[in-house]
Amino acid sequence: DVKVTQSSRYLVKRTGEKVFLECVQDMDHENMFWYRQDPGLGLRLIYFSYDVKMKEKGDIPEGYSVSREKKERFSLILESASTNQTSMYLCASSSLVGTGDEKLFFGSGTQLSVL
Amino acid sequence: DAKTTQPPSMDCAEGRAANLPCNHSTISGNEYVYWYRQIHSQGPQYIIHGLKNNETNEMASLIITEDRKSSTLILPHATLRDTAVYYCIVDPGGGADGLTFGKGTHLIIQP
Repeated sequence: DVKVTQSSRYLVKRTGEKVFLECVQDMDHENMFWYRQDPGLGLRLIYFSYDVKMKEKGDIPEGYSVSREKKERFSLILESASTNQTSMYLCASSSLVGTGDEKLFFGSGTQLSVL
Repeated sequence: DAKTTQPPSMDCAEGRAANLPCNHSTISGNEYVYWYRQIHSQGPQYIIHGLKNNETNEMASLIITEDRKSSTLILPHATLRDTAVYYCIVDPGGGADGLTFGKGTHLIIQP
């Protein structure tokens, strides 16, 4: 079975801390994504990556950065966590096919609380 | 502007077919219709997608109208485990630059 694994299911951090959310996929996918999900706002795309060391801003990149040093791993970084970054964070991956047959595979999510 | 319109919630009796509608009247010729679902506290899960023709897989059937302005996802024999939020998405590339998820339909399967 294909798998997208997020390192933590629940995380509690303090305001101002640097936070790393890790995501690993075992499908050799080119594309990887970070979303956040908040009640009433749905899923919003933060950043995505087409390839190693490549990154693209999504709809809400402010306050976040990403790192993709290896194909299978995509990290989301909160340089200085703030309370408004309390959210469910979801990682996803897909193959770069360009035919419309791509499917997103999601991890189980990390519920981050910033106190 | 939302590209798709779905009812916010629906109920269905266990064992019956669940028919979830989606309007996408501004769909472009190169855009596919995708359906995902999200069970509580889990990440979204791909269900099915199609361009023009009706599609069926082990999870569901997708019926797309001839003018492609609307579609229906059919879960033929709904179970309690099908209770979830169902998202209808139109996109030309399946998500190469990320899919845009709307609010979806909260489907509740009643015992």
